Order: sequence, then structure tokens, then C-alpha cells
Amino acid sequence: DVKVTQSSRYLVKRTGEKVFLECVQDMDHENMFWYRQDPGLGLRLIYFSYDVKMKEKGDIPEGYSVSREKKERFSLILESASTNQTSMYLCASSLGGRNQPQHFGDGTRLSIL
Amino acid sequence: QKEVEQNSGPLSVPEGAIASLNCTYSDRGSQSFFWYRQYSGKSPELIMSIYSNGDKEDGRFTAQLNKASQYVSLLIRDSQPSDSATYLCAVKVETSGTYKYIFGTGTRLKVLA
Repeated sequence: DVKVTQSSRYLVKRTGEKVFLECVQDMDHENMFWYRQDPGLGLRLIYFSYDVKMKEKGDIPEGYSVSREKKERFSLILESASTNQTSMYLCASSLGGRNQPQHFGDGTRLSIL
Repeated sequence: QKEVEQNSGPLSVPEGAIASLNCTYSDRGSQSFFWYRQYSGKSPELIMSIYSNGDKEDGRFTAQLNKASQYVSLLIRDSQPSDSATYLCAVKVETSGTYKYIFGTGTRLKVLA
């Protein structure tokens, strides 16, 4: 089975802090994604990566950056956390190819105070 | 704007009944279709994939795809209270030589004991 592991299940930080969310997958997937999920808004794509050291902006990249130094690891960085970044953050990975689904980690519920 | 639309619900069905969940999509170039189940506070879990027109069955679940009508559905037979969750429809589209996954906001299903 695919295993996508997010470093923290719950996280509380203060405004202005730099926050790192880590995601690791163990199935040699090329593609990795970061989403946030808020009530009534569904899943919104922040950034994605199709290869090591490669990144693409999603629909809501403002206030975030990412890093993919190794194939199995994709990090999301909140440069200066703000209260409107309080959310559930979900990492996903997939193989390349037309019919490959995404597999999600357990999520990180991040609260910015 | 590529969109995936679902009725937010809640859809309430009695235990043992068939639950029918529907999803429409706007991009005719959509190639792959996925259903995820998400329990409250948890991450999405893949339950069905479908790529060709017609029906695909897996246990109590049947996915139906009609590309001409841009419509995909999920049937859950013999619904159980444990099926109560939010069901997300996801569509994979090719864009600028890469793939993106577009999610609906989900339908909340309540199975009444």
C-alpha cells in the first residue's frame, strides 16, 4: 500500500512564525501535491511538483513556498504565518500517467494564533 | 474555469438502501475520474477509479461514467451507517503537458440506522 506520511497531525504556531510542513511518500511517486481544505471551500491546490527540484504554483500559492530536494519528500513552507492560514493541510502523491490517482496523507491541522 | 460540481447534501438514506451520488464536470478533455471517501476530521481515501464509459463494480460500490453527458456517479448498495461520510469526486485533466486533479466540494452522506 502507498504510504504518505505528514510530519505532524496537529500544529499550533503564532503569527509571523516560519512554519514547515513535511511530507514523505514511500512509493517512488513522481508527483507530489499540497492542498488546504476549509469548510465550504473544498480542496484547494497550493503547489505541486512533478520532479525533484521542480515546482509549480497551484490555485492559491500566495504566502507559501515549497521545496523538493529529494523525490520522496515535499515540504510546504509558510514564510510568515497569518491567522487566515489556519486550515487542514493535505499532502498527496501519485505516479505519472493518465489513470493514476492521488493518495493522501493523514493531514496536518494547523492553527495560527 | 474547469469545474467539478456535486450536490453538497446531506443525502440521507436508510440503512440497507442504495445511495446514489452524482458529479458533473465541465472539461470534455477530462480523462480519469475518482471517488474519495472522507470521514470527518480525516483525509480523503480513494475508493473507486473509472476511465471508460459504462459501469465499474467493486464490492458494494459501482461507479458509472458517461463522457457524452459529462457525468460520473457512485452507487453504494446495502448502505451501512459506517458509509456516512463526505464523498469527493475528482477529475484528472491534462493541461499544458501536465496533469491536474480537480475536486468537487463533496456530498455529505448520512446513512440512518
